Amino acid sequence: SYVLTQPPSVSVAPGQTARIPCGGENIGSKSVHWYQQKPGQAPVLVVYEDSDRPSGIPERFSGSNSGNTATLTISRVEAGDEADYYCQVWDSSSDQCVFGTGTKVTVL
Amino acid sequence: EVQLVESGGGLVKPGGSLRLSCAASGFSFSTFVMNWVRQAPGKGLEWVSSISSSATDIYYADSVKGRFTISRDNAKNSLYLQMHSLRAEDTAVYYCARPVDYDFYNGFVSWGQGALVTVSS
Repeated sequence: SYVLTQPPSVSVAPGQTARIPCGGENIGSKSVHWYQQKPGQAPVLVVYEDSDRPSGIPERFSGSNSGNTATLTISRVEAGDEADYYCQVWDSSSDQCVFGTGTKVTVL
Repeated sequence: EVQLVESGGGLVKPGGSLRLSCAASGFSFSTFVMNWVRQAPGKGLEWVSSISSSATDIYYADSVKGRFTISRDNAKNSLYLQMHSLRAEDTAVYYCARPVDYDFYNGFVSWGQGALVTVSS
């Protein structure tokens, strides 16, 4: 089955840029979506189809996808961005949805 | 406003059964793929199952195949998850989720508040 790998944690200072990688075999050929989840809350979609943002999501959140790695970039990080982040794809070869292992972003 | 409200969670013994419901409003339910996603305590997100708008295409995670059944009633704007042969590892918050667009490939833009299922003797 298809596997998406993320680093367990990323730390970033306020105002700096956080980059969260999501590794998967030939992930560049798939459509990648990203979620933010804060404790006790349902996930929130922050990027879909590699780089599109749902309405209400700040432009500070952006995404890219190429080769074997997709990346969520959070610019000008704020304390409120501290959360768990998950990547997700639909694997058409197995007809299954796959979530990444998740990355905890800590704002120093 | 899109709303998804899960119900039916609770405490069940190993080997038992439970049926979750998700009441949808604020959008054309019958035109969207719908999904169940779960999250065990302290763990990451795990996809459980997806169903097409007309229920002709249904998919399951390997971990629940043969034990869980997803279904929908478009007349009632409702999504269901029938769970049998429950195990301790099925303990989780179960979310129903709607995608951005009408197909299986898109991200989940709307989520319910979740229903807690606890499997324990």
